[in-house]
Amino acid sequence: ELKVEQNPLFLSMQEGKNYTIYCNYSTTSDRLYWYRQDPGKSLESLFVLLSNGAVKQEGRLMASLDTKARLSTLHITAAVHDLSATYFCAVGRTGNQFYFGTGTSLTVIP
Amino acid sequence: DSGVTQTPKHLITATGQRVTLRCSPRSGDLSVYWYQQSLDQGLQFLIQYYNGEERAKGNILERFSAQQFPDLHSELNLSSLELGDSALYFCASSVDNPLSEQFFGPGTRLTVL
Repeated sequence: ELKVEQNPLFLSMQEGKNYTIYCNYSTTSDRLYWYRQDPGKSLESLFVLLSNGAVKQEGRLMASLDTKARLSTLHITAAVHDLSATYFCAVGRTGNQFYFGTGTSLTVIP
Repeated sequence: DSGVTQTPKHLITATGQRVTLRCSPRSGDLSVYWYQQSLDQGLQFLIQYYNGEERAKGNILERFSAQQFPDLHSELNLSSLELGDSALYFCASSVDNPLSEQFFGPGTRLTVL
């Protein structure tokens, strides 16, 4: 079974700082997803990465994919309080199987 | 609002019972996915339907089943419920299969007592 590891599990950062969340997966994958979940809410799709070297940016968030290293990163630039949430990566495989990481709980402190 | 609707929002039932969760995908979306989120097991993919046909199975128990109807809404049936089935159940939909972005519904919180 494909394993997806995220780190860190918990992240507390000050407003204005930069940080990166890492998502490692154990076997080859067709695609990589990033989601955001606010407490008690559903998941919101952030990025879908489909190929090696793919980079996508939306506001203060930038996601990248290195399929050779089986690694995706979610980089946060100049964090603001509104980014506080839990972030999940998920890996898709042939046959439409989806595997989620454990999530990274991000708290941005003023 | 993602455009995906799920009912009911909350469900409380007893062990051994059977429940049905309902999902209506976004207009135009043919794929429906079901996920379970619990504290001990995290987020798990259960099953996917595409235009009425089962396309993929994940960690779905034999006590659980799903179907997608001609109008594209989907139902997840959970039977012989156990305490460990208490979780948030999410439905998601996407336009096509398999590379599309998925849009998640608000979820159904199931509590088994």
